[in-house]
Amino acid sequence: DTEVTQTPKHLVMGMTNKKSLKCEQHMGHRAMYWYKQKAKKPPELMFVYSYEKLSINESVPSRFSPECPNSSLLNLHLHALQPEDSALYLCASSRKGGLSDEQFFGPGTRLTVL
Amino acid sequence: SQQGEEDPQALSIQEGENATMNCSYKTSINNLQWYRQNSGRGLVHLILIRSNEREKHSGRLRVTLDTSKKSSSLLITASRAADTASYFCATDRDSNYQLIWGAGTKLIIKP
Repeated sequence: DTEVTQTPKHLVMGMTNKKSLKCEQHMGHRAMYWYKQKAKKPPELMFVYSYEKLSINESVPSRFSPECPNSSLLNLHLHALQPEDSALYLCASSRKGGLSDEQFFGPGTRLTVL
Repeated sequence: SQQGEEDPQALSIQEGENATMNCSYKTSINNLQWYRQNSGRGLVHLILIRSNEREKHSGRLRVTLDTSKKSSSLLITASRAADTASYFCATDRDSNYQLIWGAGTKLIIKP
């Protein structure tokens, strides 16, 4: 299985809602990533988990809260988002997170904040 | 911060023609990767070239790297409609995990 899956595909939420994005991989990868991508822009790194520990938090607002329950799963909890947080949220994984690692991306969750 | 700059920003060619896109970067690198993204979807890794390599091939893809000019190019030969996508280069940084992404080239293949 060489796939990264993400649910849901689309999500519409109000600014007072709490929701979660889910990502799963069964490739035995030990590094997992959350990216945010706005239209016509490259992906922006948000968080990196390495061996289930948070390694990088790119100064992301606290209304985004990542969680890595086990080596296959990655969640992104959303609370009190702003309309400018509307974007494509991409999950990725790589073997160990080294400099020469290829990253495998999921199809993304298209998030709209009203 | 973004290190890679890609040009052109957009490229439209006829099916069957070759497409070339370029990526420039600012600091020294260990590797450079190219990814493809179909409209509104996840990215797919195409090829990785190491700093001690000058050229690499994968099917219809040819990537070159010129570390003296801090630039790379991606050539797609005999383009197909399915090649329509955005193409991003990504370089590494000193720290693990982080890729620095170029702005991307949007490629349109006209039938």
